[in-house]
Amino acid sequence: SQTIHQWPATLVQPVGSPLSLECTVEGTSNPNLYWYRQAAGRGLQLLFYSVGIGQISSEVPQNLSASRPQDRQFILSSKKLLLSDSGFYLCAWSLGGNSPLHFGNGTRLTVT
Amino acid sequence: KQEVTQIPAALSVPEGENLVLNCSFTDSAIYNLQWFRQDPGKGLTSLLLIQSSQREQTSGRLNASLDKSSGRSTLYIAASQPGDSATYLCAVRPGTDKLIFGTGTRLQVFP
Repeated sequence: SQTIHQWPATLVQPVGSPLSLECTVEGTSNPNLYWYRQAAGRGLQLLFYSVGIGQISSEVPQNLSASRPQDRQFILSSKKLLLSDSGFYLCAWSLGGNSPLHFGNGTRLTVT
Repeated sequence: KQEVTQIPAALSVPEGENLVLNCSFTDSAIYNLQWFRQDPGKGLTSLLLIQSSQREQTSGRLNASLDKSSGRSTLYIAASQPGDSATYLCAVRPGTDKLIFGTGTRLQVFP
């Protein structure tokens, strides 16, 4: 069966520091991969999605970037964090088409 | 632009009640609709996926219906239990690889 791993679970970082969140999927190949952010009191915002290695689509202009160095690995990065980057970051995968979306357990990021 | 709305935003019911959560979307051109559950501080758990050609899906005490023409979906929870307490989100797939989410209904079931 397929599983998705996301780490770390929580992270406290100072403003201006770099960020790297990692997500891996097991038990499937060539998944579509997604990064979402959930801010307090707001809905889920799609940040990036990828349909293949090296293929990244950005949904919102921001201080974050994403990379997909391997088929089942998706990384969310920032060179310099802002206070507004605080939130709950969720990685997700699907097999595309009409298949369901499955989420990881999320990373709670607090920028101080 | 597709917009997804969930009403009510919050709901508190006694254990054992049957309840209905509502989801509406503005553009009926969707491939599917998915219902999720989110416990506090956790990721989302997929509950039910309804394809655009389907009218409903059932899993245990959960039943989700879809009326594309009216832009509505409902999630029916039978015989609610305290363990059903969570936030329930619906999301539509508008023909691309991206889902558009509603803001959720926070459900509390008290003993």
